[in-house]
Amino acid sequence: EVQLVESGGGLVEPGESLKLACAASGFTFKSAWMSWVRQAPGKGLEWVGRIKSYADGETTDYAGPVRGRFFISRGDSRNTLYLQMGSLKIEDTAVYYCVTNPVEAFFEHWGQGSLVTVSS
Amino acid sequence: QSALTQPASVSGSPGQSITISCIGTNSDVGSYDLVSWYQQHPGKAPKLMISEVTKRPSGVSDRFSGSKSGNTASLTISGLQPEDEADYYCCSYAGGRTFVVFGGGTRLTVL
Repeated sequence: EVQLVESGGGLVEPGESLKLACAASGFTFKSAWMSWVRQAPGKGLEWVGRIKSYADGETTDYAGPVRGRFFISRGDSRNTLYLQMGSLKIEDTAVYYCVTNPVEAFFEHWGQGSLVTVSS
Repeated sequence: QSALTQPASVSGSPGQSITISCIGTNSDVGSYDLVSWYQQHPGKAPKLMISEVTKRPSGVSDRFSGSKSGNTASLTISGLQPEDEADYYCCSYAGGRTFVVFGGGTRLTVL
């Protein structure tokens, strides 16, 4: 059974940084493309970014609103996905989901989400 | 404003069929057969219902089907059941520097 468990969320002030982690199990993590998708309170889904597998060069791509501030990495030996968030803004407040991404724009398995609140 | 346009709400009675539209452009929906649909119940994580326009993952009821014509994708749910009441989101690959776009979501009410 595929399991994705996010951690690291919390309350931070504008301008601060935060790092989320996603522990993966039940599938071959090192071969998987992975994405982060977020959902602001009461709002819709928004793709944050994606990292390809090591075999595919670990290429990362990001949505416009987070490009240059957020960085995705992976620790294949630990089956863990990371999201380093910097220069956080109030509008980054959201539940952040870790998802498997077998094909572009195809999000197969979802974690339970981790809430990040940016507020002064 | 979301990149893909969905109706804010749809409703139907048990046993009926409904269709949710997802209108994009020739830069996303119209250019790629990479449209997916997600169901989200309140307080829960989204669940994949349809991938690559028409593919239904294992475990998803065959009452759910997807299609696409031009720049518009559609999700049809037949034989509505009370547990289908949820929010539904469409998603498409958009290439370029945009990569992925979601619709704003549609709330389905089963009357």
